Amino acid sequence: DADVTQTPRNRITKTGKRIMLECSQTKGHDRMYWYRQDPGLGLRLIYYSFDVKDINKGEISDGYSVSRQAQAKFSLSLESAIPNQTALYFCATSGDTSSFYNEQFFGPGTRLTVL
Amino acid sequence: GDSVTQMEGPVTLSEEAFLTINCTYTATGYPSLFWYVQYPGEGLQLLLKATKADDKGSNKGFEATYRKETTSFHLEKGSVQVSDSAVYFCALTLSGSARQLTFGSGTQLTVLP
Repeated sequence: DADVTQTPRNRITKTGKRIMLECSQTKGHDRMYWYRQDPGLGLRLIYYSFDVKDINKGEISDGYSVSRQAQAKFSLSLESAIPNQTALYFCATSGDTSSFYNEQFFGPGTRLTVL
Repeated sequence: GDSVTQMEGPVTLSEEAFLTINCTYTATGYPSLFWYVQYPGEGLQLLLKATKADDKGSNKGFEATYRKETTSFHLEKGSVQVSDSAVYFCALTLSGSARQLTFGSGTQLTVLP
């Protein structure tokens, strides 16, 4: 079974709808991240969480919110989806808080289309 | 701010050709450097890393050397295979409590048989 799972894998929605993307991990990691990937722009950080009570904005948090329900679960919400939020969304985890390396482990991604 | 610049793709090579994907960075401190690979339909996977100047990261026949003087971390492989077809991302992280990754834009590699 995959260590980092994302649901749904694909979603098509309409402008103005509320959408939630979910991420679960079995790696026992404290740190979790949400990124979006757009063609030619690489990955950009939306939000990150170092533990259940620690939520931080990333580079492009406007229009998004998150919830860390438990160590293993980190959800991303689009309160009112708009077409320019059409992208591939990745969840990632990292557990090495003492190391400088910060290797992150990624889920398979959710492809979101907003019409 | 910190940034990573990769050569633009797509890159198309024949099997057994030599691969170089250029990566340069701008950072306020001394970063750790990474190459991640994304195979079709999958999430990113760490390919290799280097944490200080002159370090060489290597994995699966790929290599990259941390060059502080040229602020570069170019990815190389001597003989590519069809199975190497993927998107490759260069990334950096700096010391500090956040240790966030900053990614380049990615380079699509296609290897033809």
